[in-house]
Amino acid sequence: EIVLTQSPGTLSLSPGERATLSCRASQSISKSYLGWYQQKPGQAPRLLIYDTSSRATGIPDRFSGSGSGTDFTLTISRLEPEDFAVYYCHQYDGSPRTFGPGTKVEIK
Amino acid sequence: EVQLVESGGGLVQPGGSLRLSCAASGFTFSSYWMTWVRQAPGKGLEWVANIKQDGSEKYYVDSVKGRFTISRDNAKNSLYLQMNSLRAEDSAVYYCATRWILDDWGQGTLVSVSS
Repeated sequence: EIVLTQSPGTLSLSPGERATLSCRASQSISKSYLGWYQQKPGQAPRLLIYDTSSRATGIPDRFSGSGSGTDFTLTISRLEPEDFAVYYCHQYDGSPRTFGPGTKVEIK
Repeated sequence: EVQLVESGGGLVQPGGSLRLSCAASGFTFSSYWMTWVRQAPGKGLEWVANIKQDGSEKYYVDSVKGRFTISRDNAKNSLYLQMNSLRAEDSAVYYCATRWILDDWGQGTLVSVSS
């Protein structure tokens, strides 16, 4: 099983600042099969990024993904008020599929 | 517009069974892998199971193997999760989602396992 570790656990930032979220895998993820999801309280998760760096439909370009192998990053270039939420990475390379524990982005 | 509507959740005693359903619309259901993901109260996301377009391949997280069965009826555009021998740790909101990349999600259905 591929274990995903996310850091930091909580990120305290102000609107307009840049957010950098990390996701590290216990073994290499081939074919860049990694996605990022945003979840707000009481809502279902929403896909932001798939295949490491492809933005999902309707996702603003302030969200970007990068990485390869075992190290992946989600960057939010300038935080908007609606971006404060929990973010999960998810690998769909190995079986079983797994999620990271999440990074909470909170208002400083 | 893709719509996924889960149903079938509720309160069940340990050792009991439930069958969750996910009604799909707005896309060609028979062309998509489908997935179940769960989230215990206040916790993170856990991938549970997925199923190939024709039902010929099914995969499960170890903690539910032998107890849960994923299935689909392409004629009814529906996905199912049969859950047997339920445990307290199975209590969660259960979501269905499309494809490997989980690009669309339902609103979830709550399963509570308690005596």
